[in-house]
Amino acid sequence: SQQGEEDPQALSIQEGENATMNCSYKTSINNLQWYRQNSGRGLVHLILIRSNEREKHSGRLRVTLDTSKKSSSLLITASRAADTASYFCATARLTDSWGKLQFGAGTQVVVTP
Amino acid sequence: DGGITQSPKYLFRKEGQNVTLSCEQNLNHDAMYWYRQDPGQGLRLIYYSQIVNDFQKGDIAEGYSVSREKKESFPLTVTSAQKNPTAFYLCASSIFQGENSPLHFGNGTRLTVT
Repeated sequence: SQQGEEDPQALSIQEGENATMNCSYKTSINNLQWYRQNSGRGLVHLILIRSNEREKHSGRLRVTLDTSKKSSSLLITASRAADTASYFCATARLTDSWGKLQFGAGTQVVVTP
Repeated sequence: DGGITQSPKYLFRKEGQNVTLSCEQNLNHDAMYWYRQDPGQGLRLIYYSQIVNDFQKGDIAEGYSVSREKKESFPLTVTSAQKNPTAFYLCASSIFQGENSPLHFGNGTRLTVT
């Protein structure tokens, strides 16, 4: 199975609501990254959080990391229709050589006006 | 504007034919990557390259080949040995530094083999 697994698989919310998705992983990491993918397009990097960090913010995004539970969460506040996309977590495992990121299967978020 | 260009956007091939997917970047990044994405799944790493004239196998390299003769270019060949080649292929690049740095992705090539 994959290193990073997102939960839920799909999420439907209305504009203005907050969206929270989680990522769990199995082995120790150097860092964890979140990406967004619009339908049929490439991924766009959102945030990188290192293993010694607990929380990071970027605009309406808030990412937390709990290394004891091997989990991370991505919160999108005051969601907009333009936030409709799939969101992926990717982990840089300590045991992997440089350059290898392990991606989860993603959370599909739909924001309705 | 700097970025990664993948071409073509859609590619159709008959079974048994090799096909080469193009990836060019003008971000001056040292590292480049190829991922495969299947419906409902995450990305899986095919090959990656940290510097020119060097590349490493990823998790699913069988049936694929790459070359890295120029810093800007990292073409992927899907050979007839790849059993399930129909997929969405994504190329990415990053700077090469001490920790895994964020990836910059192209917009992908959707390959259909019949």
